[in-house]
Amino acid sequence: QKEVEQNSGPLSVPEGAIASLNCTYSDRGSQSFFWYRQYSGKSPELIMFIYSNGDKEDGRFTAQLNKASQYVSLLIRDSQPSDSATYLCAVPYGGSQGNLIFGKGTKLSVKP
Amino acid sequence: DTAVSQTPKYLVTQMGNDKSIKCEQNLGHDTMYWYKQDSKKFLKIMFSYNNKELIINETVPNRFSPKSPDKAHLNLHINSLELGDSAVYFCASSRRTLNEQFFGPGTRLTVL
Repeated sequence: QKEVEQNSGPLSVPEGAIASLNCTYSDRGSQSFFWYRQYSGKSPELIMFIYSNGDKEDGRFTAQLNKASQYVSLLIRDSQPSDSATYLCAVPYGGSQGNLIFGKGTKLSVKP
Repeated sequence: DTAVSQTPKYLVTQMGNDKSIKCEQNLGHDTMYWYKQDSKKFLKIMFSYNNKELIINETVPNRFSPKSPDKAHLNLHINSLELGDSAVYFCASSRRTLNEQFFGPGTRLTVL
């Protein structure tokens, strides 16, 4: 069974701190990994994707991938109250005709 | 311009009724999806279509049927609605399978 695990939170951090969100996956064959942000009552919005081991930075966001340990993380630097949302990790499965499995999401709360 | 659009945004109906939700994307993507997000916020794939062909049909009741008149549209028809069908339904699209997906605004379905 393909699984994507996330700590549901809530994760609470003070404004300006680094928020660290983690995700583990079961399919060793997965090659690409996606992070989505979902505000309450809104649709998921893609914020990062990563294919290679190591770090990928985009503004205040850094995705980290470790395929050997089967985890992917998202760091948010200088967290802002506007970052308060649920963050969903998504991992593909099923080969070339496959699809994404989403984790249950981690709810992040950034306190002013 | 809206990339992925859905109608209606809200749908309230009685048990046993039949209803449809429409989805359109103007991104030129080849693959479209339907997801269900339940009250616990778990986002689960229902169907995906690639070039008008169903490529994944997850274990959803056969009361749910996707219909794709062309590559830009994927509608969801639901027969004999049940209380447990109440959820938010998201349409999404991607350039190809396993690529990053872009979501529509969602349709909140309430079955009374």
